[in-house]
Amino acid sequence: QSVLTQPPSVSGAPGQRVTISCTGSSSNIGAGYDVHWYQQLPGTAPKLLIYRNNNRPSGVPDRFSGSTSGTSASLAITGLQAEDEADYHCQSFDSSLSGYVFGPGTKVTVL
Amino acid sequence: VQLRESGPGLVKPSETLSLTCTVSGGSVSSDSSYWTWIRQPPGKGLEWIGYMSYTGSTNSNPSLKTRVTMSVDTSKNQFSLKLISVTAADTAVYYCAREYRNWLDPWGQGTLVTVSS
Repeated sequence: QSVLTQPPSVSGAPGQRVTISCTGSSSNIGAGYDVHWYQQLPGTAPKLLIYRNNNRPSGVPDRFSGSTSGTSASLAITGLQAEDEADYHCQSFDSSLSGYVFGPGTKVTVL
Repeated sequence: VQLRESGPGLVKPSETLSLTCTVSGGSVSSDSSYWTWIRQPPGKGLEWIGYMSYTGSTNSNPSLKTRVTMSVDTSKNQFSLKLISVTAADTAVYYCAREYRNWLDPWGQGTLVTVSS
């Protein structure tokens, strides 16, 4: 059972906007620890997608954006494309565990 | 920086899982990096195993702490993971990654370790 919770799946048509939530608690996101997002294409290793809540590494399209509020974070994908079909994982630090925690991952399907 | 995991793909129950991560294009002796292990059981989410610095300081997941040992070899630019007393529940793809300011980038390609007799 993950410390961070995410919906198992979200879907959308090409061009649409989808959002993925990542819900934590007062010992992680709510405590102000940064949230990072990773994209995992089928059969590959996760890749950093968003760091420190809302920053994109070089090469990541601006269709991807992140935000946080209270004990939750969100990843938004606008202008959904077929190549965005992947699993998306959120990650933060938890002070109770004194270590890093992940969400269970959300599968994005492009209809 | 690139990372690559190596080690046996099959480990017997109750034995020790040993993996090595080779770092290229950068140094494990970096003051700004922690070297991290993560695993992903088949069809499941990611689980943080632990991290270490080149000075030897470590931190690991409380659920695995009693079974995990991590080490670094600066002469080979490698870091390693040992997990003792494995069971089928330890079957997973194991990834190494660099942790920089709390995020993980880059990741190795991952290596599947199956625990089975």
